[in-house]
Amino acid sequence: DGGITQSPKYLFRKEGQNVTLSCEQNLNHDAMYWYRQDPGQGLRLIYYSQIVNDFQKGDIAEGYSVSREKKESFPLTVTSAQKNPTAFYLCASSLPLEANVLTFGAGSRLTVL
Amino acid sequence: GQNIDQPTEMTATEGAIVQINCTYQTSGFNGLFWYQQHAGEAPTFLSYNVLDGLEEKGRFSSFLSRSKGYSYLLLKELQMKDSASYLCAVKDSNYQLIWGAGTKLIIKP
Repeated sequence: DGGITQSPKYLFRKEGQNVTLSCEQNLNHDAMYWYRQDPGQGLRLIYYSQIVNDFQKGDIAEGYSVSREKKESFPLTVTSAQKNPTAFYLCASSLPLEANVLTFGAGSRLTVL
Repeated sequence: GQNIDQPTEMTATEGAIVQINCTYQTSGFNGLFWYQQHAGEAPTFLSYNVLDGLEEKGRFSSFLSRSKGYSYLLLKELQMKDSASYLCAVKDSNYQLIWGAGTKLIIKP
């Protein structure tokens, strides 16, 4: 079955460490996204990519980095520069950007100790 | 600024009907979406409205009034599995999604 796989499901990090969250999709979708979800807030866009080797900053890109070397993969690195990284991170994909429906992965919960 | 408002939490009884409202103020409008999200899981697509009126899909219906900046999601014959958060999102003039904070729906027997 086609879908989006995020790993790890849970991750603990010490302050000052970088961590990378994996996102892989086999839906043949062109566009991929990373969102952050915090209690009491709407999803906030971190980065998105419409095609391989291209990506754009979203609303809260500071302290994060991404790459898009393959169509199927869009990893997110949470760097030590991110001041409040504890959150639930959701990866999503869709057909070209103007398309309507996002398919989400199951999410990765990052906790900074 | 852009803003999506929806109630934080609602409670309803199994078998009943519940309406979850969403009001929005955005720079342009290119469609409104409803997603369902069970705790700790991925949001899943429920409905999409771009024209005024009611869209019905089984037990779920979604209504849009563009002139009022208003939508609602109507859930009929509530089941315990409908306990979840319901997220309203609007696609603005740049085709970027603006998300509401979600409405947590609690279903009681």
